[in-house]
Amino acid sequence: EVQLLESGGDLVQPGGSLRLSCAASISTFNTYAMTWVRQAPGKGLEFVSVISGSGGSTHYADSVKGRFTISRDNSKNTLYLQMNNLRAEDTAVYYCAKTFLGSIFWGMDVWGQGTTVTVSS
Amino acid sequence: QSALTQPASVSGSPGQSITISCAGTSSDVGGDSYVSWYQQHPGKAPKLMIYNVNNRPSGVSDRFSGSKSGNTASLTISGLQAEDEADYHCSSYTSSSTPVVFGGGTRLTVL
Repeated sequence: EVQLLESGGDLVQPGGSLRLSCAASISTFNTYAMTWVRQAPGKGLEFVSVISGSGGSTHYADSVKGRFTISRDNSKNTLYLQMNNLRAEDTAVYYCAKTFLGSIFWGMDVWGQGTTVTVSS
Repeated sequence: QSALTQPASVSGSPGQSITISCAGTSSDVGGDSYVSWYQQHPGKAPKLMIYNVNNRPSGVSDRFSGSKSGNTASLTISGLQAEDEADYHCSSYTSSSTPVVFGGGTRLTVL
């Protein structure tokens, strides 16, 4: 069974930084594009970022472009999200999710349990 | 404000059918067949229910079906059951700078 386990969420002050990690129990991790999706309290889902299986291609939501960086270490089956210059509006539960059939076109079929990021002074 | 528009809430009685709409533009929902739907129970992670507008991943009940007309996609749940009570989110690939957009979510209440 494929499992994803996020970590790294915390309370951080505005302007601060945080790095999220997502450990994947997938033997073919490097064949799947991976995503980060967030959900603010009481709100809907919001796409944050996606990275290709090789790590050579990345895309971001306009709301985080220039502040967040997605990366992966396929030797460790781990996905990362480096978040800099955090704002109050970044407060959310952050999910990592595996793309279905390897591409963002088909949605995400395996999700982690989420890790909570709170940006507040 | 979300990129895709969904009704905030819908309701139905056990055994009935309900439909949730997801309105977008020609740059997302209306552009290609890359619409997905997710079910999310309170405090839980989302679950993929529909991909490519009208396809179900293995293990998803055939009571769930999807369709699209123009710039609006729809999720229909037939034979409503108590366990269907959840939030439902639509999503689409988009040709804009942000490659994926979601709707605001719809709370389904089974009366």
